[in-house]
Amino acid sequence: GEDVEQSLFLSVREGDSSVINCTYTDSSSTYLYWYKQEPGAGLQLLTYIFSNMDMKQDQRLTVLLNKKDKHLSLRIADTQTGDSAIYFCAEKDGYNKLIFGAGTRLAVHP
Amino acid sequence: DSGVTQTPKHLITATGQRVTLRCSPRSGDLSVYWYQQSLDQGLQFLIQYYNGEERAKGNILERFSAQQFPDLHSELNLSSLELGDSALYFCASSSRGGVADTQYFGPGTRLTVL
Repeated sequence: GEDVEQSLFLSVREGDSSVINCTYTDSSSTYLYWYKQEPGAGLQLLTYIFSNMDMKQDQRLTVLLNKKDKHLSLRIADTQTGDSAIYFCAEKDGYNKLIFGAGTRLAVHP
Repeated sequence: DSGVTQTPKHLITATGQRVTLRCSPRSGDLSVYWYQQSLDQGLQFLIQYYNGEERAKGNILERFSAQQFPDLHSELNLSSLELGDSALYFCASSSRGGVADTQYFGPGTRLTVL
């Protein structure tokens, strides 16, 4: 079945770049998403990428997709303390439901 | 603010009880999705409605049911509650529920079953 995997924790220094990785199994996924969840809050859509793209950039965010390896990454440039949150990778299956990873907790320290 | 609203924000109840969670989609969105976020299962899709009709079903327990009303708001009913039902329940909406649509999430309802 479908499965999305992410590393559980990432710690970076303020001002550095953060790279959060994700692997997925459903090769028919058309869209892949990154959502952010801050403590006590809902899921905020950060960005998404269509499966026929290799890269998408949106201000400090860069998404890279390697469809052959089913690998997705989110790079946050100039990481700030306000970026501390849990980041979820998700793929959309053939029934339009989102399959989420377990989330990567990003901790940003001075 | 995604434009999706959920009430109540918090709900505390006892085992065996029944609760109703409410969701209003973003203006103009026809499709509503429900997800459950728990510590052991992570984020899991429960059910999707499009313009009042059930469109897709996930790992939703038989004790749970949902519906979407003519004004497009949706309710998720949870009955015979068990301790394991304690979780954050999210509603999301999208314009037509199609593959190209993006799902926007509400702030969630935190359910605690004691």
